[in-house]
Amino acid sequence: ELKVEQNPLFLSMQEGKNYTIYCNYSTTSDRLYWYRQDPGKSLESLFVLLSNGAVKQEGRLMASLDTKARLSTLHITAAVHDLSATYFCAVTPNSGYALNFGKGTSLLVTP
Amino acid sequence: GAVVSQHPSRVICKSGTSVKIECRSLDFQATTMFWYRQFPKQSLMLMATSNEGSKATYEQGVEKDKFLINHASLTLSTLTVTSAHPEDSSFYICSARTQTGVGELFFGEGSRLTVL
Repeated sequence: ELKVEQNPLFLSMQEGKNYTIYCNYSTTSDRLYWYRQDPGKSLESLFVLLSNGAVKQEGRLMASLDTKARLSTLHITAAVHDLSATYFCAVTPNSGYALNFGKGTSLLVTP
Repeated sequence: GAVVSQHPSRVICKSGTSVKIECRSLDFQATTMFWYRQFPKQSLMLMATSNEGSKATYEQGVEKDKFLINHASLTLSTLTVTSAHPEDSSFYICSARTQTGVGELFFGEGSRLTVL
């Protein structure tokens, strides 16, 4: 069974600070996804990482993937309040299957 | 990007009634769609995989007679919650995968079901 673990589950950080969310998964996977969810809303796709060493950046968010360590990171640079949301990583054993989600990281950015 | 639409976004029903939720891929064909359920402050749990033209594949612990899934066309999957009870109240989200490119998954807007 493919297991996905995120940490931390809760994160309160000040505006302007940097932080990293970690996502570990238990078995081989060919792709890893990061999503953002605002309260009462569905999921917004942030990144799809397909290969070892992949790094993608969008604004203040940067995601990376190390398939050998089965680890992905989502790095937040100079956080702003608008980044407050829940962030999920999700993994699929291959492209034909559904996603297994981590428990999510609830991020609160405070002034 | 690809769009997946769900309807209704919110529904309130009485206990014992049935509710149908639709999931449509608006600008691409999806041979496979996925249905998830999310309880408050929790992650998404896969309920079933919906395959166009064939029976859905249900995850362990999900009652197939209670959660009826029909994937009649390449752009539409429906989830019917039969004889709904208060414990079925949840946020139901569908997703569909594009057939081109990296096969990215897109999610519908979600449907919040409240059973009184």
